[in-house]
This record gives sequence, C-alpha cells and structure tokens, in this order.
Amino acid sequence: SQQGEEDPQALSIQEGENATMNCSYKTSINNLQWYRQNSGRGLVHLILIRSNEREKHSGRLRVTLDTSKKSSSLLITASRAADTASYFCATGANYGGATNKLIFGTGTLLAVQP
Amino acid sequence: DTEVTQTPKHLVMGMTNKKSLKCEQHMGHRAMYWYKQKAKKPPELMFVYSYEKLSINESVPSRFSPECPNSSLLNLHLHALQPEDSALYLCASSQGRAFGQETQYFGPGTRLLVL
Repeated sequence: SQQGEEDPQALSIQEGENATMNCSYKTSINNLQWYRQNSGRGLVHLILIRSNEREKHSGRLRVTLDTSKKSSSLLITASRAADTASYFCATGANYGGATNKLIFGTGTLLAVQP
Repeated sequence: DTEVTQTPKHLVMGMTNKKSLKCEQHMGHRAMYWYKQKAKKPPELMFVYSYEKLSINESVPSRFSPECPNSSLLNLHLHALQPEDSALYLCASSQGRAFGQETQYFGPGTRLLVL
C-alpha cells in the first residue's frame, strides 16, 4: 500500500487565501519531501524536511512535520492562480534493507480561482 | 543545468510496435528512475538505476525493458504493450548517494497511448 495518504483530495480557494494540505504516513522516516505537479507535466521538488526538523520555510511555503503523529502539512500562503497544481508528499521506503525508494502520497489537487 | 529531458513528448503505438523512450540529464547524477503515472494517481516506481546498474525492478512486466547506456542516459524499450499501459512515463534523477532519501529531479514525461 502507499506510504502517504493526503487530505483533502481536492481543495478550491480564492487567490490570496492560504492553502493547507496534510500528509500522513505509516512507517518511520529519515525525511519527507513535497512535490508539485502541473497538469500532465513532470514533478517539481518543493521542499525536504528531515525527521529531526519540526518546521521549514521556503518563500510562501511552510512545512511542518510531526513524527509522533506520522504527519506533515504544507501551507501555501497568499496563493496565486499559478499555484494551481497537484501536490504530493513523498517518503523513503525500504527495499532490500535500505531506504532506497520514494513512495508518493495520494496527492491533493489545488485549484486557485483568480 | 538542472534539467531532465525526455523524448518524445507524446507517443502513440499499436500493440505490436516496438518503441523507445529516452531520458537525459547532465547534472552528474548517478541514480536514474522510471515512473509510471496514471491519471489522477501518484507516480509509481518502475525501475531504479544506480551507477548504471539496475538496482530496483518493481516487478515490471518484461514488455518494458530499461537500459542505461551511460551515466547521463536512460532508455525504456517498449514491446507488445497493452492498452492498459497507456500512461504518463516520467524519468527522474538524483545524486545517487541515498536514492530513497534524496531530492529527485523529474523530466516533463512522455504521454503514451497504446491502441
């Protein structure tokens, strides 16, 4: 089964509002990553947060990580129409005794209305 | 150069055709990946190459055959595909030191339609 489950599945907001999406995962992690995907395109890495970090910022993005609850959230502040995309969390998964692959969550589809 | 390129952008093929997808990166990365993504689903890992050697095959059917001719190139050879193989095929690369934990850089994908 997939490592990460995200909610909401879809989110529609007005430009200028904040968007929050959540990711829950199942096993212990070394880090958690967030990626964005514009419709039908490749994924773009947004931010990586390590397991010993609780919060990280990058521009209008704020990511939190709660390893005790096995959850993370991505906050996009002052959203723009250009933020319309699917957002995926990704965590490392074991293969052959090492953390050798990324497993992507189910994704949140964000629509920002102008 | 932080770009991963993929060709072709779109591909339509019949079930008896043989075609290849190509991926290239010039970031000096030593891990390269193929993912398959169906509509409204997350990417699913197919193969991982590390230092030009196949490290992970996620039980992918043999009609998909990966190849890594050198550290910059990754191919996916397609033969006798089924309509359910229609999807977006994404290539990615990363530094290669700990590829389950590294930032991955994705290409724009090849949209494949099997008729």
